[in-house]
Amino acid sequence: QVQLEESGGGVVQPGRSLRLSCAASGFTFSSFGMHWVRQPPGKGLEWVAVIWYDGSHEYYADSVKGRFTISRDNSKNTLYLQMETLRAEDTAVYYCVRDVEMTYFDFWGQGTLVTVSS
Amino acid sequence: SYELTQPPSVSVSPGQTASISCSGDRLEDKHVNWYQQMPGQSPVMVIYRDTKRPSGIPERFSASNSGNTATLTITGTQPMDGADYYCQAWHSSSAWVFGGGTKLTVL
Repeated sequence: QVQLEESGGGVVQPGRSLRLSCAASGFTFSSFGMHWVRQPPGKGLEWVAVIWYDGSHEYYADSVKGRFTISRDNSKNTLYLQMETLRAEDTAVYYCVRDVEMTYFDFWGQGTLVTVSS
Repeated sequence: SYELTQPPSVSVSPGQTASISCSGDRLEDKHVNWYQQMPGQSPVMVIYRDTKRPSGIPERFSASNSGNTATLTITGTQPMDGADYYCQAWHSSSAWVFGGGTKLTVL
């Protein structure tokens, strides 16, 4: 069965960096585009970034463009999100999500909480 | 930027039909997807490509998309259906967009 397991969340001071990882299993990781979607505490879902199945293209939400970098290692079945210059408004649960046809999200990880606070 | 608008809350009695709307400019030209999120859990897709139901999702979940409004319908709502529901679509100006979410209360 499809499994997506995020890690790397925690408490970080404003302006610092953090890298999230998502270990994928149960499917051919290299065949699927992957996204990060976040959810601030008590609020709605916000798409963050996407990477093509082969890593050839990446796109970002305006709110994180220039600060966050999505990447993947298909040999390790792992998705990453490098977050730089973190702000309080980046505080959220970050979900690793599998893409289908660049249209919808069919499987979500359990999420990892990032708290940006001094 | 493209926006999807949902009512913050909807209430329904057990056994009745719940309808949750999602509005956006020319929404019928896009594929709308719906996600259910139980408290403390990750979202689960309940409808994709406007009307399709993934395997394992009960038949009481259905949806439509016409004009500027997509609608998720739960027929014979059960207490276990109480959750937050999010619509989602893709738009060239905003990429993957979510509605603000609707809290469905079954009481």
